Amino acid sequence: DTGVSQDPRHKITKRGQNVTFRCDPISEHNRLYWYRQTLGQGPEFLTYFQNEAQLEKSRLLSDRFSAERPKGSFSTLEIQRTEQGDSAMYLCASSQVGEQYFGPGTRLTVT
Amino acid sequence: ELKVEQNPLFLSMQEGKNYTIYCNYSTTSDRLYWYRQDPGKSLESLFVLLSNGAVKQEGRLMASLDTKARLSTLHITAAVHDLSATYFCAGEAGNQFYFGTGTSLTVIP
Repeated sequence: DTGVSQDPRHKITKRGQNVTFRCDPISEHNRLYWYRQTLGQGPEFLTYFQNEAQLEKSRLLSDRFSAERPKGSFSTLEIQRTEQGDSAMYLCASSQVGEQYFGPGTRLTVT
Repeated sequence: ELKVEQNPLFLSMQEGKNYTIYCNYSTTSDRLYWYRQDPGKSLESLFVLLSNGAVKQEGRLMASLDTKARLSTLHITAAVHDLSATYFCAGEAGNQFYFGTGTSLTVIP
């Protein structure tokens, strides 16, 4: 297994457009997390899946954000009507229990 | 909500010197993690600390956990340039991970 992968690695979009990111976790990991990281800050938790069930969602997460993990394998994170404040690195991580393994991230720039 | 604070936020140290990064957390944490992040890269797991008194070492880095003091430390011994990076600690509470703001370490010759 090659680890957690994310696609795309970079995304530039205009304000108001919708974007979707994909995360493929390590195959035997049943837990999947999404984070957002801005410059000079630590990763900020967005949401958590165990298998296909979304069990946790940050209170800070706007209704414009939605995530799915339909078959308990890959996950998608969609941002609707993007705003400039959404510009950040979006990180995905997976785990079995405890230790998380992070993907390379998707850097989103909203112009 | 678990609050995680690191200090210092920035650290410049000479090669060969020792230093400690501190990580305080506000409430009970199931586990404590340390990660490394290089500029423009993702996070690399360094240590997982499971219980009070836990100590783990890898090369020039040693991490410890004092759950009573709600404190974890990352000690750097005889720093080398390759250790220059940002180091994060993170606590786990329930199904969520809470990260500190990171310590940006620069090792200078």
